[in-house]
Parts: sequence; structure tokens; C-alpha cells
Amino acid sequence: GAGVSQSPSNKVTEKGKDVELRCDPISGHTALYWYRQSLGQGLEFLIYFQGNSAPDKSGLPSDRFSAERTGGSVSTLTIQRTQQEDSAVYLCASSLPGRGGLYYGYTFGSGTRLTVV
Amino acid sequence: EDKVVQSPLSLVVHEGDTVTLNCSYEVTNFRSLLWYKQEKKAPTFLFMLTSSGIEKKSGRLSSILDKKELFSILNITATQTGDSAIYLCAATNAGNNRKLIWGLGTSLAVNP
Repeated sequence: GAGVSQSPSNKVTEKGKDVELRCDPISGHTALYWYRQSLGQGLEFLIYFQGNSAPDKSGLPSDRFSAERTGGSVSTLTIQRTQQEDSAVYLCASSLPGRGGLYYGYTFGSGTRLTVV
Repeated sequence: EDKVVQSPLSLVVHEGDTVTLNCSYEVTNFRSLLWYKQEKKAPTFLFMLTSSGIEKKSGRLSSILDKKELFSILNITATQTGDSAIYLCAATNAGNNRKLIWGLGTSLAVNP
């Protein structure tokens, strides 16, 4: 696609429920990142996928968070047993591999605003 | 611990004013500094800076990096209401450049 597509754009869920957030990166961008932005906070790195390599999960805040990327394209971020502190905007970004992201920048999706009530 | 600090946190100006946004960093094995503009939810890439003293320009926006004093500035001249946004600064290090270290951003409001 022309840009990074994320869905849903907004999600309201009850505490304790599971949610799935989807990211469809730009075609040809083998690097995919998930970030989280809470109110008043900077962008927080969550997870990084690069091609067929093992993902870097070091930013995931707890074992309730997981992500997968199927076929090197679409990625799903899953949050189990959601808590109110999970409320944030979840941003997905993709870039060209290797140093492509540094030289050409990262393209962000429009994000999913998650509200846990 | 690596960190990026932006100032001011917020700024209100009138159309036509010139603004300077600041970004200082403390990053081990610093490699590059990036500026993004965030409107609504998605940040859009503005500049990447790796060398000191070389100004990058795009229209009314320009940015420069000082690797000795560990800071960068983003200048916007003749501001317009469409410049209203959060401006984010991020740094990368040579060892792990996939995890950008982000500042909290400067919220800029340009009033007509």
C-alpha cells in the first residue's frame, strides 16, 4: 500500500479483555516497529521485526504483550488481560532494511488509540 | 542511561513568527539525530542529522546539529497555522540504532 495502515483507529475495551491491533506496513519495508505513546510520555519502543530474523522483543512491558508478523508483512500486536495503564496510542512504523530507516526515515501509521475502561 | 531532552515543552506564537526548538541528548556511541512532526497520531519524518555544523533545510524548516555541545535545533521561519504540531526529536546510537531514544516533544501552537 501507499502508507502504513493500522486498524482499528480507535478501540475501547473493558479491563481484563484481550485486544488485537493490526499493522500493514509499506510494501518492500522489511523492518517493522511497534511503539506506544502514552499521554505526556515520549514514544516507547515495544518490538522490532526485521525480515525473517528473530524479533527484538526487549521493549515489551510485560508478558501480557505479544506480537507476530506473518509472511514478513502484516503484524499483529496482542494485549491480553488489558489494564487501564495500557491505554495509549499504539503506533506502527516501517522502514527499509538496515540503515534505510536512518537515511530515509521511518513511516508511521496513524495509530490505534486504545482506551481501557 | 541514554536520554533526549526537548525544550520548551510547549510554545505559542503568532503567524509569521520564527521559532527555535531545542533538543539535547546524552547517548552512548551517538550516531544520528532525527526530527519528526506529529499531527494527530502519526509522526512524519523531517530531518536526519549525523554531522556537526551542516544545516539541513526544507522550505521554512531548517535544522543543525552540534556534536560537541550535544544538541540540535529546529528552526521554523514565517510560521503558519499548519505548523501547529508536536515536534519530536530522537537519537540513535551506533550499537543499537533500531531503538530510537525519543524526547517528549515540543508542542507548538501557531495562532492566526
